[in-house]
Amino acid sequence: AQSVTQLGSHVSVSEGALVLLRCNYSSSVPPYLFWYVQYPNQGLQLLLKYTTGATLVKGINGFEAEFKKSETSFHLTKPSAHMSDAAEYFCAVSDPYSGGSNYKLTFGKGTLLTVNP
Amino acid sequence: DTEVTQTPKHLVMGMTNKKSLKCEQHMGHRAMYWYKQKAKKPPELMFVYSYEKLSINESVPSRFSPECPNSSLLNLHLHALQPEDSALYLCASSQDGLLNQPQHFGDGTRLSIL
Repeated sequence: AQSVTQLGSHVSVSEGALVLLRCNYSSSVPPYLFWYVQYPNQGLQLLLKYTTGATLVKGINGFEAEFKKSETSFHLTKPSAHMSDAAEYFCAVSDPYSGGSNYKLTFGKGTLLTVNP
Repeated sequence: DTEVTQTPKHLVMGMTNKKSLKCEQHMGHRAMYWYKQKAKKPPELMFVYSYEKLSINESVPSRFSPECPNSSLLNLHLHALQPEDSALYLCASSQDGLLNQPQHFGDGTRLSIL
């Protein structure tokens, strides 16, 4: 079964610093990859996705992620953190070759990002 | 503003009550989902409807009963819940359930069982 590992359950950065949130997946076949953000008392909002094509994907709010097949990774970055970026971030994958697992997203455990003034 | 609307936002109920959660989307999506999310955990899939038919039930207890009256609406009927069922219940939709399509989430119903 597909698994997703988010290294670091809590990441703390200073305002204006680089944000790097790590995500690794387990499938030997490249899955479809997503990053979601969840602000307090809200649902999940899609930041960006990778399905095919260009491996560097740009999303909303200045975030981007790079799909690296050789490293089975899809790390999320933002050059300069804002206070408003403080939230929980989830990496998720869906496996196009999972047969009976259609429609399913496998989520990582999440990374809580705090931004210090 | 989210394009998936869930009501109510908060619900407190006793273990003998019957209540329903409602989810609505007007994006023309044909796949709809129910998730359960406990604090500081990722969402856990409960049910998937595709073209108004139940396609996935993740071995959810029968005290949770989903219903999809039409392509825009999804309900979750609750009966005889347990305290451990207290959680945030999220609804999501996607264009037609293909794996490369993102799911769009509502803001959830926060459910507390007394």
